[in-house]
Amino acid sequence: ETAVFQTPNYHVTQVGNEVSFNCKQTLGHDTMYWYKQDSKKLLKIMFSYNNKQLIVNETVPRRFSPQSSDKAHLNLRIKSVEPEDSAVYLCASSPRQGQNTLYFGAGTRLSVL
Amino acid sequence: QQKVQQSPESLIVPEGAMTSLNCTFSDSASQYFAWYRQHSGKAPKALMSIFSNGEKEEGRFTIHLNKASLHFSLHIRDSQPSDSALYLCAVSDMGYKLTFGTGTSLLVDP
Repeated sequence: ETAVFQTPNYHVTQVGNEVSFNCKQTLGHDTMYWYKQDSKKLLKIMFSYNNKQLIVNETVPRRFSPQSSDKAHLNLRIKSVEPEDSAVYLCASSPRQGQNTLYFGAGTRLSVL
Repeated sequence: QQKVQQSPESLIVPEGAMTSLNCTFSDSASQYFAWYRQHSGKAPKALMSIFSNGEKEEGRFTIHLNKASLHFSLHIRDSQPSDSALYLCAVSDMGYKLTFGTGTSLLVDP
């Protein structure tokens, strides 16, 4: 049963372009996350929002910027993509602050040519 | 910064066998320990979690935690081909950040 929806599923683009990924959760959760899964399947947290407020901002390049309009939506924009940005970007949510069980979306696979 | 390592990197077991997966962590202040499973091309999904030392069993799955050794494990009894997936351990200090391990790729051979 899917409750964290990500679009698009795949995106192919060229170096230097701007891309945006969308995420919506219908679980009524307060906290949302962006994780990056690289080619070796390593999952690394990028950002975390609690009720539209940014609470975790890991060391990621400044070309990455999260955007949250309400607690059910968390988007990710990448300005001027680089080849190393090729990865699967996974959105997740959890019920509340400090509640660690994450519910993931299926991911957006980005390929930078 | 929390370091989470898994072993083995990959594993092939026959159907019906017991599978054991390992996870070590570096931060002794960690309070939450979990296993996630990710089938190919799908979203990671939480399997089970534990907070205190000891053992917890849910169906064919058992999680063991030894905080003093900075180690926890997942054991799968009567492994099935449908268990073939990437297994990710995860550790948190109950803050906002869940740190994932390097993953173990499991193949159950029918």
